[in-house]
Amino acid sequence: DAGITQSPRHKVTETGTPVTLRCHQTENHRYMYWYRQDPGHGLRLIHYSYGVKDTDKGEVSDGYSVSRSKTEDFLLTLESATSSQTSVYFCATAGTGDTEAFFGQGTRLTVV
Amino acid sequence: GQSLEQPSEVTAVEGAIVQINCTYQTSGFYGLSWYQQHDGGAPTFLSYNALDGLEETGRFSSFLSRSDSYGYLLLQELQMKDSASYFCAVIAGGRNQAGTALIFGKGTTLSVSS
Repeated sequence: DAGITQSPRHKVTETGTPVTLRCHQTENHRYMYWYRQDPGHGLRLIHYSYGVKDTDKGEVSDGYSVSRSKTEDFLLTLESATSSQTSVYFCATAGTGDTEAFFGQGTRLTVV
Repeated sequence: GQSLEQPSEVTAVEGAIVQINCTYQTSGFYGLSWYQQHDGGAPTFLSYNALDGLEETGRFSSFLSRSDSYGYLLLQELQMKDSASYFCAVIAGGRNQAGTALIFGKGTTLSVSS
C-alpha cells in the first residue's frame, strides 16, 4: 500500500476557528489532492498540487487554502471553519504519468 | 468546467452482470478511471482507460468511447463483497495546463443481494 497518512483522523472544532489538516506521503509522488466527501455529492476536489509550491484550485475551493513546501506534505487549511465544512476529507497522491491515485484513510471533521 | 454523470443506485443479485455508465464533459481530457469505495473506507483504484475500447481486469472491465464522452464499468459474476460505491473520474488538464486534476462523479451505489 502507498504510504499516505492523514492527520488528524477525527477532529471537532468550533465555528470561526482555523483548522489545518495534514497529508503526508512516503511515495515521492508528484501529485497530491484534497477532496471532501458528503452524502449525495461524491468526492469533490478542493485543491491539488502538481509539485512543490505548485497548486491549483478545484471545484470547491472557497474557504480553503493549501500549501506544499515539501514533496511529502500537503496541508489543507480552513481559515475560519463553518458548519458547512463539516465533512470527511480525503487526501490522494499520484506519481507523474501514473493513472492510479492512492487515498489516505480520511479525516472526519465536525464544525460545531 | 468538468462534469460527470452516473446513476445514483444500481441493484443486482449474486452471479449477475451489471454495467455502470458514465458520461462526462471536460476540457483537456486525458482518460477515465474507476474507483471502488466500501462504506467507511477509502476509495481504491479499479481501472483506467485512455484510449477507446475495453480494458479487462478479472471480473471487472471498463470501456471508453472518447468521441461519445462515455464510458462504463462492467462487473461480472457479482459477489456480495462487490456491494460498494463506484466512482468514475476523469484525468483532465488543470486550468493553467501545468498539471492535471482528477475529477470524480457523484458515485453509484451498487447493492448485491443473494
